[in-house]
Amino acid sequence: DAKTTQPPSMDCAEGRAANLPCNHSTISGNEYVYWYRQIHSQGPQYIIHGLKNNETNEMASLIITEDRKSSTLILPHATLRDTAVYYCIVRGNNAGNMLTFGGGTRLMVKP
Amino acid sequence: NAGVMQNPRHLVRRRGQEARLRCSPMKGHSHVYWYRQLPEEGLKFMVYLQKENIIDESGMPKERFSAEFPKEGPSILRIQQVVRGDSAAYFCASSRDSINSPLHFGNGTRLTVT
Repeated sequence: DAKTTQPPSMDCAEGRAANLPCNHSTISGNEYVYWYRQIHSQGPQYIIHGLKNNETNEMASLIITEDRKSSTLILPHATLRDTAVYYCIVRGNNAGNMLTFGGGTRLMVKP
Repeated sequence: NAGVMQNPRHLVRRRGQEARLRCSPMKGHSHVYWYRQLPEEGLKFMVYLQKENIIDESGMPKERFSAEFPKEGPSILRIQQVVRGDSAAYFCASSRDSINSPLHFGNGTRLTVT
């Protein structure tokens, strides 16, 4: 699976949009970009995923560049409860289809 | 529409005892994954199972650890003769049969070996 690069930490003011970047320059054509987050010691929570097109759901928006080498997760109105570690994962069509977690971005939402 | 259920939430074992961790996948999900998270570390893949089959166990230690997902009942991760280094949070995830289907995680079992 392609490797991803994320900043280790970011701050965001409560109520503002949080834009979390991710680089995945070696992504293959059939690999999906997935985003998860882990709040404190809970289980990872699925946020959103996409292949080529931008995606939006009730939690977030995912913007994937045209060349698919990078993406941005957007939390439109961050709240204190969005403080978490956010993982960008490229999921390949390997035998297991498993997710490989990297270090992620620790997002701190501040009042 | 229950999510992935793991039990127990907390498990304390003395060194040398056995630990059994259970995972009930979401309804309609036939794929189960186990991950381990050591204190202050990231999530590491252990094993991937489908009903009655182990598909990929490349992340699981060769000794003392085993996993199963029987035709009926939950998936079980078994750790024999536990050691202090096994203390960790163990997360189970399930999904449908597709790379386009997200994995959904349970809230984990926190194993403490004393």
